[in-house]
Amino acid sequence: DAKTTQPNSMESNEEEPVHLPCNHSTISGTDYIHWYRQLPSQGPEYVIHGLTSNVNNRMASLAIAEDRKSSTLILHRATLRDAAVYYCILRDVGDDKIIFGKGTRLHILP
Amino acid sequence: AAGVIQSPRHLIKEKRETATLKCYPIPRHDTVYWYQQGPGQDPQFLISFYEKMQSDKGSIPDRFSAQQFSDYHSELNMSSLELGDSALYFCASTGLAEADTQYFGPGTRLTVL
Repeated sequence: DAKTTQPNSMESNEEEPVHLPCNHSTISGTDYIHWYRQLPSQGPEYVIHGLTSNVNNRMASLAIAEDRKSSTLILHRATLRDAAVYYCILRDVGDDKIIFGKGTRLHILP
Repeated sequence: AAGVIQSPRHLIKEKRETATLKCYPIPRHDTVYWYQQGPGQDPQFLISFYEKMQSDKGSIPDRFSAQQFSDYHSELNMSSLELGDSALYFCASTGLAEADTQYFGPGTRLTVL
């Protein structure tokens, strides 16, 4: 299984952009890059996913390197409610289960 | 919008007892997943069902079994409970229109004493 590497934790100030990196050097051509997050005392929550092109949605943006060996989740304007563990996950087409790695614990400073 | 419902939200059992956790997926979702999250750990995949058939299996102990019913709800049955089974158990669901996105429930916190 392809693996991802993320920083254990990051800090950011409220109302500033946050860039959460993820390395996945062994990604295969059919692996999609998914991001989920888990807020305290809640179940994981889908954030965004992509294959090759950058993606935007109401929650975040996903920037994917041209060689696909890394990606960055961008929260454009962090709020205290964005404090969570963020998981970068590779999922092959047809592989429906989620294999969670260690994730990045994001702290937002007021 | 309707979300995934799990019951009970909290459950306390003694060692060697049995427990049944229930999951009600989002309407029109036909696939259900179960995950276990131990204290300070990341969620681990246990088992999944698609159209009432088991579709994948992870590191689920033999003491655990699960099924999906005709109304698509799912139950996770846990027998001979051990202290190490104390964890949060999440259910997630998805459907054809969801582009592989899984929607997670709030979880059931199981405490084994």
